[in-house]
Amino acid sequence: DAGVIQSPRHEVTEMGQEVTLRCKPISGHDYLFWYRQTMMRGLELLIYFNNNVPIDDSGMPEDRFSAKMPNASFSTLKIQPSEPRDSAVYFCASRADRVGTGELFFGEGSRLTVL
Amino acid sequence: GENVEQHPSTLSVQEGDSAVIKCTYSDSASNYFPWYKQELGKGPQLIIDIRSNVGEKKDQRIAVTLNKTAKHFSLHITETQPEDSAVYFCAVLNQAGTALIFGKGTTLSVSS
Repeated sequence: DAGVIQSPRHEVTEMGQEVTLRCKPISGHDYLFWYRQTMMRGLELLIYFNNNVPIDDSGMPEDRFSAKMPNASFSTLKIQPSEPRDSAVYFCASRADRVGTGELFFGEGSRLTVL
Repeated sequence: GENVEQHPSTLSVQEGDSAVIKCTYSDSASNYFPWYKQELGKGPQLIIDIRSNVGEKKDQRIAVTLNKTAKHFSLHITETQPEDSAVYFCAVLNQAGTALIFGKGTTLSVSS
Protein backbone atom coordinates (compact mmCIF):
# COMPACT_ATOMS: atom_id res chain seq x y z
CA ASP A 1 0.00 0.00 0.00
CA ALA A 2 1.19 3.54 -0.74
CA GLY A 3 0.35 4.79 2.72
CA VAL A 4 -1.78 7.80 3.56
CA ILE A 5 -1.80 10.22 0.65
CA GLN A 6 -2.36 13.94 1.12
CA SER A 7 -2.68 16.72 -1.42
CA PRO A 8 -1.59 19.35 -2.03
CA ARG A 9 1.81 19.10 -0.31
CA HIS A 10 2.12 22.88 -0.33
CA GLU A 11 -0.51 25.58 -0.69
CA VAL A 12 -0.01 29.33 -0.66
CA THR A 13 -3.14 31.43 -0.73
CA GLU A 14 -4.39 34.86 0.18
CA MET A 15 -6.53 35.71 3.14
CA GLY A 16 -10.20 35.21 2.41
CA GLN A 17 -9.72 32.44 -0.12
CA GLU A 18 -11.16 28.96 0.26
CA VAL A 19 -8.71 26.14 0.92
CA THR A 20 -9.43 22.44 0.42
CA LEU A 21 -7.03 19.78 1.67
CA ARG A 22 -7.46 16.17 0.59
CA CYS A 23 -6.64 12.81 2.11
CA LYS A 24 -6.72 9.20 0.97
CA PRO A 25 -6.37 6.83 3.93
CA ILE A 26 -4.81 3.40 3.82
CA SER A 27 -7.27 0.92 2.37
CA GLY A 28 -9.16 -0.97 5.04
CA HIS A 29 -8.49 1.55 7.79
CA ASP A 30 -11.73 2.46 9.55
CA TYR A 31 -10.49 5.53 11.41
CA LEU A 32 -9.33 8.78 9.86
CA PHE A 33 -7.89 11.74 11.76
CA TRP A 34 -7.06 15.33 10.89
CA TYR A 35 -4.31 17.04 12.92
CA ARG A 36 -2.78 20.50 12.66
CA GLN A 37 0.86 21.23 13.56
CA THR A 38 2.20 24.64 14.55
CA MET A 39 5.28 25.66 16.51
CA MET A 40 3.18 27.22 19.26
CA ARG A 41 0.55 24.54 19.73
CA GLY A 42 2.28 21.38 18.55
CA LEU A 43 0.13 18.63 17.03
CA GLU A 44 -3.56 19.35 17.63
CA LEU A 45 -6.40 16.94 16.93
CA LEU A 46 -9.04 18.67 14.81
CA ILE A 47 -11.58 15.95 13.97
CA TYR A 48 -11.80 12.22 13.42
CA PHE A 49 -14.07 9.79 11.62
CA ASN A 50 -15.03 6.16 12.12
CA ASN A 51 -16.45 4.37 9.09
CA ASN A 52 -16.94 7.76 7.37
CA VAL A 53 -18.95 9.19 10.29
CA PRO A 54 -17.54 12.17 12.24
CA ILE A 55 -17.03 11.11 15.86
CA ASP A 56 -15.55 14.18 17.52
CA ASP A 57 -15.08 17.61 15.97
CA SER A 58 -14.45 19.47 19.22
CA GLY A 59 -10.94 20.34 18.05
CA MET A 60 -12.10 22.25 15.00
CA PRO A 61 -11.10 25.82 15.83
CA GLU A 62 -13.97 27.74 14.22
CA ASP A 63 -16.95 27.46 11.95
CA ARG A 64 -14.64 28.39 9.10
CA PHE A 65 -13.30 24.84 9.28
CA SER A 66 -15.27 21.88 7.99
CA ALA A 67 -14.41 18.27 7.17
CA LYS A 68 -16.15 15.56 5.22
CA MET A 69 -15.62 11.92 4.44
CA PRO A 70 -17.97 10.98 1.60
CA ASN A 71 -16.56 7.46 1.29
CA ALA A 72 -13.99 5.16 2.86
CA SER A 73 -11.18 6.29 0.56
CA PHE A 74 -11.45 10.07 0.63
CA SER A 75 -11.69 12.94 3.09
CA THR A 76 -11.46 16.71 2.79
CA LEU A 77 -10.69 19.50 5.21
CA LYS A 78 -11.97 22.87 4.07
CA ILE A 79 -11.22 26.35 5.39
CA GLN A 80 -13.49 29.15 4.21
CA PRO A 81 -12.54 31.95 4.45
CA SER A 82 -8.87 31.38 5.26
CA GLU A 83 -6.90 33.65 7.59
CA PRO A 84 -3.14 34.08 8.18
CA ARG A 85 -3.41 32.34 11.56
CA ASP A 86 -4.52 29.19 9.75
CA SER A 87 -0.98 28.81 8.39
CA ALA A 88 0.24 25.42 9.57
CA VAL A 89 1.00 21.88 8.45
CA TYR A 90 -2.15 19.78 8.30
CA PHE A 91 -1.78 16.03 8.70
CA CYS A 92 -4.17 13.27 7.91
CA ALA A 93 -3.72 9.91 9.63
CA SER A 94 -5.52 6.59 9.52
CA ARG A 95 -5.76 3.58 11.80
CA ALA A 96 -6.91 0.04 11.21
CA ASP A 97 -7.65 -0.99 14.77
CA ARG A 98 -10.95 -0.25 16.45
CA VAL A 99 -9.14 0.27 19.74
CA GLY A 100 -7.24 3.46 20.34
CA THR A 101 -4.00 1.58 21.02
CA GLY A 102 -3.55 0.77 17.35
CA GLU A 103 -0.78 2.45 15.37
CA LEU A 104 -1.56 5.74 13.63
CA PHE A 105 -0.21 6.08 10.09
CA PHE A 106 0.36 9.67 9.03
CA GLY A 107 0.55 11.22 5.59
CA GLU A 108 3.37 13.61 4.74
CA GLY A 109 1.23 16.65 5.47
CA SER A 110 -0.08 19.69 3.62
CA ARG A 111 1.81 22.88 4.37
CA LEU A 112 -0.60 25.83 4.20
CA THR A 113 0.53 29.43 4.04
CA VAL A 114 -2.13 32.13 4.14
CA LEU A 115 -0.82 35.58 3.22
CA GLY B 1 -10.27 16.57 28.74
CA GLU B 2 -6.92 14.78 28.71
CA ASN B 3 -3.80 16.92 28.82
CA VAL B 4 -0.14 16.02 28.30
CA GLU B 5 2.88 18.21 29.01
CA GLN B 6 6.19 17.45 27.30
CA HIS B 7 9.67 18.64 28.28
CA PRO B 8 12.09 19.85 27.14
CA SER B 9 10.96 21.56 23.95
CA THR B 10 14.50 21.37 22.52
CA LEU B 11 17.41 19.10 23.38
CA SER B 12 20.93 19.12 21.98
CA VAL B 13 23.37 16.28 22.65
CA GLN B 14 26.68 15.03 21.36
CA GLU B 15 26.76 11.82 19.37
CA GLY B 16 27.05 8.89 21.74
CA ASP B 17 25.37 10.64 24.66
CA SER B 18 21.96 9.70 26.06
CA ALA B 19 18.79 11.74 25.62
CA VAL B 20 15.73 11.75 27.87
CA ILE B 21 12.37 13.31 27.12
CA LYS B 22 9.63 13.40 29.73
CA CYS B 23 5.85 13.71 29.53
CA THR B 24 3.32 14.31 32.29
CA TYR B 25 -0.37 13.53 31.89
CA SER B 26 -3.45 14.50 33.87
CA ASP B 27 -5.92 11.61 33.61
CA SER B 28 -5.08 8.83 36.05
CA ALA B 29 -7.20 6.42 33.97
CA SER B 30 -4.77 6.66 31.03
CA ASN B 31 -3.37 3.25 30.10
CA TYR B 32 -1.54 3.63 26.79
CA PHE B 33 1.57 5.75 26.16
CA PRO B 34 3.14 5.86 22.68
CA TRP B 35 6.05 7.84 21.31
CA TYR B 36 6.20 9.11 17.73
CA LYS B 37 9.21 10.38 15.76
CA GLN B 38 8.87 13.01 13.05
CA GLU B 39 11.69 13.45 10.57
CA LEU B 40 12.00 16.62 8.54
CA GLY B 41 9.25 16.95 5.96
CA LYS B 42 7.53 13.76 7.04
CA GLY B 43 4.60 12.75 9.18
CA PRO B 44 5.12 11.33 12.68
CA GLN B 45 5.83 7.60 12.95
CA LEU B 46 5.36 5.28 15.93
CA ILE B 47 8.67 4.17 17.45
CA ILE B 48 7.69 2.60 20.77
CA ASP B 49 4.72 2.35 23.10
CA ILE B 50 3.94 1.05 26.57
CA ARG B 51 0.80 -0.03 28.35
CA SER B 52 0.03 0.67 31.98
CA ASN B 53 0.60 -2.91 33.14
CA VAL B 54 4.38 -2.63 32.65
CA GLY B 55 6.93 -0.16 33.95
CA GLU B 56 9.52 -0.28 31.20
CA LYS B 57 9.92 -1.42 27.61
CA LYS B 58 13.07 -1.52 25.49
CA ASP B 59 13.75 -1.79 21.78
CA GLN B 60 17.45 -1.68 20.97
CA ARG B 61 18.64 1.86 21.80
CA ILE B 62 15.28 3.26 22.80
CA ALA B 63 13.27 2.61 25.94
CA VAL B 64 10.16 4.01 27.57
CA THR B 65 9.57 4.08 31.32
CA LEU B 66 6.27 4.69 33.06
CA ASN B 67 5.55 5.95 36.56
CA LYS B 68 1.76 5.70 37.03
CA THR B 69 1.86 7.05 40.56
CA ALA B 70 3.52 10.27 39.46
CA LYS B 71 1.66 10.24 36.12
CA HIS B 72 4.68 10.60 33.91
CA PHE B 73 6.47 8.60 31.26
CA SER B 74 9.81 9.11 29.57
CA LEU B 75 11.62 8.25 26.36
CA HIS B 76 15.26 7.25 26.69
CA ILE B 77 17.62 7.10 23.73
CA THR B 78 21.09 5.72 24.39
CA GLU B 79 24.20 6.02 22.21
CA THR B 80 22.58 8.74 20.15
CA GLN B 81 23.41 9.03 16.46
CA PRO B 82 22.91 11.91 14.00
CA GLU B 83 19.97 10.07 12.43
CA ASP B 84 18.17 10.32 15.80
CA SER B 85 17.81 14.05 15.12
CA ALA B 86 14.06 14.65 14.76
CA VAL B 87 10.99 15.89 16.60
CA TYR B 88 9.65 13.43 19.17
CA PHE B 89 6.05 13.42 20.39
CA CYS B 90 4.53 11.66 23.34
CA ALA B 91 0.81 10.96 23.36
CA VAL B 92 -2.05 9.72 25.51
CA LEU B 93 -5.52 8.54 24.62
CA ASN B 94 -8.49 10.88 24.86
CA GLN B 95 -11.20 10.14 27.41
CA ALA B 96 -13.16 8.11 24.87
CA GLY B 97 -10.08 5.96 24.30
CA THR B 98 -10.35 6.35 20.52
CA ALA B 99 -7.92 9.14 19.58
CA LEU B 100 -4.42 10.26 20.52
CA ILE B 101 -3.69 13.59 22.17
CA PHE B 102 -0.10 14.63 21.51
CA GLY B 103 2.38 16.66 23.51
CA LYS B 104 3.91 19.72 21.89
CA GLY B 105 7.01 17.87 20.78
CA THR B 106 10.74 17.88 21.52
CA THR B 107 13.25 18.81 18.85
CA LEU B 108 16.31 16.60 19.38
CA SER B 109 19.58 17.57 17.71
CA VAL B 110 22.49 15.14 17.76
CA SER B 111 25.79 16.64 16.69
CA SER B 112 28.75 14.54 15.58
